[in-house]
Formats: sequence, C-alpha cells, structure tokens
Amino acid sequence: KAGVTQTPRYLIKTRGQQVTLSCSPISGHRSVSWYQQTPGQGLQFLFEYFSETQRNKGNFPGRFSGRQFSNSRSEMNVSTLELGDSALYLCASSPASGGLNTQYFGPGTRLTVL
Amino acid sequence: AQRVTQPEKLLSVFKGAPVELKCNYSYSGSPELFWYVQYSRQRLQLLLRHISRESIKGFTADLNKGETSFHLKKPFAQEEDSAMYYCALSGSARQLTFGSGTQLTVLP
Repeated sequence: KAGVTQTPRYLIKTRGQQVTLSCSPISGHRSVSWYQQTPGQGLQFLFEYFSETQRNKGNFPGRFSGRQFSNSRSEMNVSTLELGDSALYLCASSPASGGLNTQYFGPGTRLTVL
Repeated sequence: AQRVTQPEKLLSVFKGAPVELKCNYSYSGSPELFWYVQYSRQRLQLLLRHISRESIKGFTADLNKGETSFHLKKPFAQEEDSAMYYCALSGSARQLTFGSGTQLTVLP
C-alpha cells in the first residue's frame, strides 16, 4: 500500500497570511491526526479526524482548524499566520480512531513563516 | 494531564555496548505506551508498544507502573540503531503525547 502523503512538502508564507496543508491517508484508514513539530516544543498533537468528524483536539488556538473529506483525505488550515507557526506539520493515519492504534506518519510539510 | 519525559536529548554508545533510553510518564490512569523511531531522512515510525510485549530489532521495553517508566533497552547496540527515539503515551484522551526525543548515536 502507498504510504501517507502530504502536500506540499515545503511552504513559505508571510505573517498574516493563511495556509492549507493536505494529507492523504493510507488506503482504508479512516483516522487522520495532525501534529506540529518544532525544536522547542517537540511533537504536539493538533487534532484527530475520524469519519469526517473531529474526535480530539489539542491545545492550540482557533486559528488552527481542519477537516476531513468522505474519502478520508484531510486538510489543515492555519489562519493569520504568526512567526511561531513555523514548524514541520505531520499527519498520521490509522485504521481506527484513537491513540491506541498504530499511527503511520507522512513525511511532513515544512512551513516557514517570514 | 498526561506528560512524557525523556531526560536525555543526546546519547552516545559504542557498537556492541548495551543501550538504555529513558522514558518517564505522568498519568493518573492506565496508559498505553509506545516507542517511535525516526531514522535519518525517514518518516517517524512505530518501534514497539508495551501491550504487544514484543522485541523489535532487538529492542525491548517494560512498563514499570511503580516507577512510571517505560525505558527502551537493547543489549548490544548496532550502528544502524542511530536515530531519534520518541516515547509516547496514550491515555483516556485517546491522543498521543510525545516526549521530546533522544538522539541516539552508536559509535563504531
């Protein structure tokens, strides 16, 4: 099976702009989770979607949002970008909902905010 | 709240030496613990989970609820074990909380 894919792989934006990142899970996987990875804070959970519904949400401001489509593909949106949003954004898919399931990670999208 | 602590950011050992990567957690219930690994230029991937009680690539990890630890061990380190290792916990919130990671370098 093809692995988790994320597009684009690299993005450069300026403060105040918004950005949309995309994640295609492994075929048959219905859960998609998003993580932010930074040198200072490490890997932090953003949210999880399962069957087009947000199941869990981490401690991030409302500027971070997401959605999942009927084919399980997911998008993450960050509005009014701040310098601190520069990070590697990882998505992970799993067959079912919840952290108990093995998560299969994508390569990440590197976002740089200038 | 759930929290995972990996006290060592960097760890170097010689090939053939034993290696132990420390992980301590804070969680009031019964957690599910994982070790994830990221080799150079590769994706983050699951190494092992405590509920499986398995040995992967010679690594084992035992959950010690009394000490709230889940240390990763291997008796004889190999150069290909050099990677970033993350300990992770899943609790009732059903989301993964990761530690800050330990960069393991196995010297020839």
